[in-house]
Amino acid sequence: RKEVEQDPGPFNVPEGATVAFNCTYSNSASQSFFWYRQDCRKEPKLLMSVYSSGNEDGRFTAQLNRASQYISLLIRDSKLSDSATYLCVVNGGATNKLIFGTGTLLAVQP
Amino acid sequence: ETGVTQTPRHLVMGMTNKKSLKCEQHLGHNAMYWYKQSAKKPLELMFVYSLEERVENNSVPSRFSPECPNSSHLFLHLHTLQPEDSALYLCASSQEPGFLYEQYFGPGTRLTVT
Repeated sequence: RKEVEQDPGPFNVPEGATVAFNCTYSNSASQSFFWYRQDCRKEPKLLMSVYSSGNEDGRFTAQLNRASQYISLLIRDSKLSDSATYLCVVNGGATNKLIFGTGTLLAVQP
Repeated sequence: ETGVTQTPRHLVMGMTNKKSLKCEQHLGHNAMYWYKQSAKKPLELMFVYSLEERVENNSVPSRFSPECPNSSHLFLHLHTLQPEDSALYLCASSQEPGFLYEQYFGPGTRLTVT
């Protein structure tokens, strides 16, 4: 089983749609969770951290389910500028390493 | 300059060449990282440095040799690479090493080994 697993997509959605991504992780000792965004041929950038209670930043909502070991990202009212690859990132249990998923590609269509 | 910079942005090298990738961070961070990103694969951590000391070497072949002369600069020396080493090499920094801190990435060096 992969340490961090994501549906690669692509997710093709119209502007204004709501889209949700899920990510599962294998190490039950993981403590830190993040969503990074990577635009085409650019570097990854932190989108948001994921907290146990769930957190929201504008149109973006992140949720953590420790029992099922998955993380979700919900994007409401999609914009063309949201088109990117969304990377699920989890720390590797007791190590200092961050483990990256392969990413989910989102394409928002006009 | 702000953030994390990397040079060169693109590099084509033969299997017998020796080249170096350079990374510089202007954020006052204490930790720096090298990652490899290949097509259809997740980012792979290669090396972690904390205050110029290597704290992680993620089973990387010896043809990749890192160097961290100070907390702002990180190099990746390349020699006798293989075609499968062609990838995007990303440098990152964070305030401290560890999973609690956001990592800031440079734009990457796209390496092609011929």
